Amino acid sequence: QQQVKQSPQSLIVQKGGISIINCAYENTAFDYFPWYQQFPGKGPALLIAIRPDVSEKKEGRFTISFNKSAKQFSLHIMDSQPGDSATYFCAASILGNTPLVFGKGTRLSVIA
Amino acid sequence: NAGVTQTPKFRVLKTGQSMTLLCAQDMNHEYMYWYRQDPGMGLRLIHYSVGEGTTAKGEVPDGYNVSRLKKQNFLLGLESAAPSQTSVYFCASSYDPKRGGNDEQFFGPGTRLTVL
Repeated sequence: QQQVKQSPQSLIVQKGGISIINCAYENTAFDYFPWYQQFPGKGPALLIAIRPDVSEKKEGRFTISFNKSAKQFSLHIMDSQPGDSATYFCAASILGNTPLVFGKGTRLSVIA
Repeated sequence: NAGVTQTPKFRVLKTGQSMTLLCAQDMNHEYMYWYRQDPGMGLRLIHYSVGEGTTAKGEVPDGYNVSRLKKQNFLLGLESAAPSQTSVYFCASSYDPKRGGNDEQFFGPGTRLTVL
């Protein structure tokens, strides 16, 4: 049973465009939703995270949108750049009680 | 600070051989994790530890054992390697999420393991 479903598997976006990656979760007890970014040959690194008490969180060009009723959250990358080309993972947990459960990842390619 | 380091970076094993992967962190983190990453499967948790001397099973623990004898080290053992264990293994560490209010995990650079 996949607790966090991520889509799409891969995404190609033009430079300057908006990249959107979606995740859906099953467990309504989840209360921590991070996104991790992984470059080839490297370990993942935390990009941005949200708690369910807010519907949106923005850090620079990266925004998480959270829809509690739909059990969905998404990552938006504004003004996408070739340097954003990486694999992105969403994840979820019950903070302090369960380990993170990761989605299967989205490979983003930003082309000039 | 070196952060999270993993040893070795690459390894090729024959079926049935054993090996130990070492993870070390210098951030005084309480929690440590071992993941495997396979194409199209994302990151799957093998085992984790919430403190020195404690370990717990993750999503895919079969065929692996772990030990956390020192706070800064987390060892992953494969007693009898199988081709299905060919993967990239990542170690991560974090502060206790209950204290920090978040669960930022810091990942190592990975170990690429091939089992023939």
